[in-house]
Amino acid sequence: DAGVIQSPRHEVTEMGQEVTLRCKPISGHDYLFWYRQTMMRGLELLIYFNNNVPIDDSGMPEDRFSAKMPNASFSTLKIQPSEPRDSAVYFCASSLSQEVGLTGAETQYFGPGTRLLVL
Amino acid sequence: AQSVSQHNHHVILSEAASLELGCNYSYGGTVNLFWYVQYPGQHLQLLLKYFSGDPLVKGIKGFEAEFIKSKFSFNLRKPSVQWSDTAEYFCAVNAGYSTLTFGKGTMLLVSP
Repeated sequence: DAGVIQSPRHEVTEMGQEVTLRCKPISGHDYLFWYRQTMMRGLELLIYFNNNVPIDDSGMPEDRFSAKMPNASFSTLKIQPSEPRDSAVYFCASSLSQEVGLTGAETQYFGPGTRLLVL
Repeated sequence: AQSVSQHNHHVILSEAASLELGCNYSYGGTVNLFWYVQYPGQHLQLLLKYFSGDPLVKGIKGFEAEFIKSKFSFNLRKPSVQWSDTAEYFCAVNAGYSTLTFGKGTMLLVSP
């Protein structure tokens, strides 16, 4: 498997523009997570899905952020309008709940991240 | 809610030195514990994890971690570090749900 795939790897945009980040989880995984990483706040969970359904979006900073998972192999994180303080690395991760039965603990597998810079 | 505390933000070592990175968590129930590593410019990769059994867990690249329940700790160790171990290390806890709570990370710099 190619692992978790994210695109784009880098994004530079101007304040006020819409930004869309994309993620393809590992095939067969039933959980998908979106994280944001900054120097100040570390790794923060933004939202996660189970079987394409959003379970907890309490980490989404504000209404400018939205996430969707239209099918098991694709998810998007959208920021509209973007602001300079949104600059960060955004990671997507996926996991398989059945792994608990195999190894005892569910492991999250991370994508390479999207480095976003909002000017 | 659970939380994770990593004691050191930055650690600088010479090659061949021994490493111990501290991690404490707060949660009263059963937990699964993880250490992830992030090499410069790369994504997070799993080093090792603990869910039950032997509290001494061995991971990849010679790393190990010991779960001490009474101290709520899960410290990462390596007897002899290499320059290639330069990276950021994250401790994380999963308290029976699918979400992970991460510590702020420890940046390790190994000088050749």
